[in-house]
Amino acid sequence: AQTVTQSQPEMSVQEAETVTLSCTYDTSENNYYLFWYKQPPSRQMILVIRQEAYKQQNATENRFSVNFQKAAKSFSLKISDSQLGDTAMYFCAFMKHVGGATNKLIFGTGTLLAVQP
Amino acid sequence: NAGVTQTPKFQVLKTGQSMTLQCAQDMNHEYMSWYRQDPGMGLRLIHYSVGAGITDQGEVPNGYNVSRSTTEDFPLRLLSAAPSQTSVYFCASSYDRKVNSPLHFGNGTRLTVT
Repeated sequence: AQTVTQSQPEMSVQEAETVTLSCTYDTSENNYYLFWYKQPPSRQMILVIRQEAYKQQNATENRFSVNFQKAAKSFSLKISDSQLGDTAMYFCAFMKHVGGATNKLIFGTGTLLAVQP
Repeated sequence: NAGVTQTPKFQVLKTGQSMTLQCAQDMNHEYMSWYRQDPGMGLRLIHYSVGAGITDQGEVPNGYNVSRSTTEDFPLRLLSAAPSQTSVYFCASSYDRKVNSPLHFGNGTRLTVT
């Protein structure tokens, strides 16, 4: 069974600084997908970024980028130029590729990020 | 577009009561699913549906029933609520079940069972 581990329950960063959230996962699959979701106080789940395991290039979305290390099964999220609106719970999630037949996510336990003014 | 709409936002039940959490989407999405979110455990998949008339179990299906009579609606039923079902419930949908279809989440229902 796949597992996703986020070892940092809480983190804090100053506005405009850079912060990295950690995520490791365990799987015997070779083809899979990894995601970072953001959950602000409004409770809405928002997709931040996704990475296909077969792609070596790290995904980026504006101020958000990932460091994907397949051999180490590590998938960290870097937030540059942190903004107050980045304050949220961040979830790392895994999805195995089963011929594209499912959309089932396995989530980590989350990291609560506080951006300080 | 309203997106994914969940009702109610909050609910308190007594042990043994039944209720239905509603989920509706107006995006003509094939795939719909229910997750529960518990402190320290992330989100876990309860049930999912890949289209009208088709449902299947996820990681934690016990104590919950679902049906998918229309494309738009995917209600989650608790037949006899238990305190262990106290949680925040999220409905999510996507255009289809393929991985490149991003999941759209509702705003959640906070359920307390006393």
